[in-house]
Amino acid sequence: DIQMTQSPSSLSASVGDRVTITCRASQNINRYLNWYQQKPGKAPKLLIYAASSLQSGVPSTFSGSGSGTDFTLTISSLQPEDFATYYCQQSSGSPLTFGGGTKVEIK
Amino acid sequence: EVQLVESGGGLVQPGRSLRLSCAASGFSFGDYGMHWVRQAPGKGLEWVSGISWNGGSMDYADSVKGRFIISRDNAKNSLYLQMNSLGPEDTALYYCTKGSGSGFYLYHFDYWGQGTLVTVSS
Repeated sequence: DIQMTQSPSSLSASVGDRVTITCRASQNINRYLNWYQQKPGKAPKLLIYAASSLQSGVPSTFSGSGSGTDFTLTISSLQPEDFATYYCQQSSGSPLTFGGGTKVEIK
Repeated sequence: EVQLVESGGGLVQPGRSLRLSCAASGFSFGDYGMHWVRQAPGKGLEWVSGISWNGGSMDYADSVKGRFIISRDNAKNSLYLQMNSLGPEDTALYYCTKGSGSGFYLYHFDYWGQGTLVTVSS
């Protein structure tokens, strides 16, 4: 199985901060890496697919980068509505696997 | 507007069975792979199972292989998950998700339902 390791598991930040979350795959997944945002009591929402493609309707403050085994989700200027948990997910092979999540909290 | 509405969850005793359903609308259901993803209380996301556009290919997480069966009825725009031999470890919110392509690898989950809660307890 492809293991996905996210770091940090949680972080505290202020509105307007630049936030970076990393995701590492246990083997090469090319660019088959997706990012989701989940708010409490809500279903996850797709933010980024294929490592760096922004899903329609997602603010341009979100961006993704990376390939192979190392990937990054960046929020360029944290907004109040961005406080949530973020998950990476690989779609390179079976079983499809998620990272453990990164909870972004208000400082 | 894409809508995915899950149903069939509830409280079930260990060892029993349950069948989840997902009613899809707002897109050409028969063109896309579909998946079930679950989330145990307070925990992260776990992919459970996926099925290709025509039901010809399925795959399962090791944790449910041999116990769960995914299926679909394209005429009814519906996805199903038959869950057998349930245990406490299967307690979770089960989400129906739409794949972005016809298969179930190499694609992402672009739409999610709100989930149906399955609780396995005596």
